[in-house]
Amino acid sequence: SAVISQKPSRDICQRGTSLTIQCQVDSQVTMMFWYRQQPGQSLTLIATANQGSEATYESGFVIDKFPISRPNLTFSTLTVSNMSPEDSSIYLCSVRSNPGAEQFFGPGTRLTVL
Amino acid sequence: AQTVTQSQPEMSVQEAETVTLSCTYDTSESNYYLFWYKQPPSRQMILVIRQEAYKQQNATENRFSVNFQKAAKSFSLKISDSQLGDTAMYFCAFMNPTQGGSEKLVFGKGTKLTVNP
Repeated sequence: SAVISQKPSRDICQRGTSLTIQCQVDSQVTMMFWYRQQPGQSLTLIATANQGSEATYESGFVIDKFPISRPNLTFSTLTVSNMSPEDSSIYLCSVRSNPGAEQFFGPGTRLTVL
Repeated sequence: AQTVTQSQPEMSVQEAETVTLSCTYDTSESNYYLFWYKQPPSRQMILVIRQEAYKQQNATENRFSVNFQKAAKSFSLKISDSQLGDTAMYFCAFMNPTQGGSEKLVFGKGTKLTVNP
């Protein structure tokens, strides 16, 4: 299985600011995803990070609010822009090596917005 | 759109006993994958077990096994010889590997399992 790291592991931010979360994988992977897990809830897919092209966003999520980069096959970033308390969640990076293969998750970033 | 339903928000079991977590799903596809993930208090999502829909044989991983009923669209997880470390949220997930699609995971709302000493 892939080893996935995320930075930061947690942060407390002020309303109106932005935070960039990094996801690093120890091997090249085909697909990278970003999920949000609101307090006490299940996981919701934000977007699929595409290498060398714009991310594919799910309904309810927009690029201006959650810009994503994926410059290569092992790294991606998610920015949470103009944050509000409603953005307080755990943000998880996830990867898959091949179509239909197992999907693995990073340790998550716990974000609190005051 | 595919949906995944976990009807048991919380369950508890005594250490060393067996517990079964329920999951049902709705899809019109014939080829798909089902997963159970575990999320302990550390919040790390851990893959427990995986089932391909085209395989009739139920998947097994040590103390964890599934009962996959394709016609009934049911995918339950059985944990045998429960251990304190099994205490966690358990999420059932569905994935449809459509060519050219995002192959995204659709999660159920989760079941909180507590193993009591």
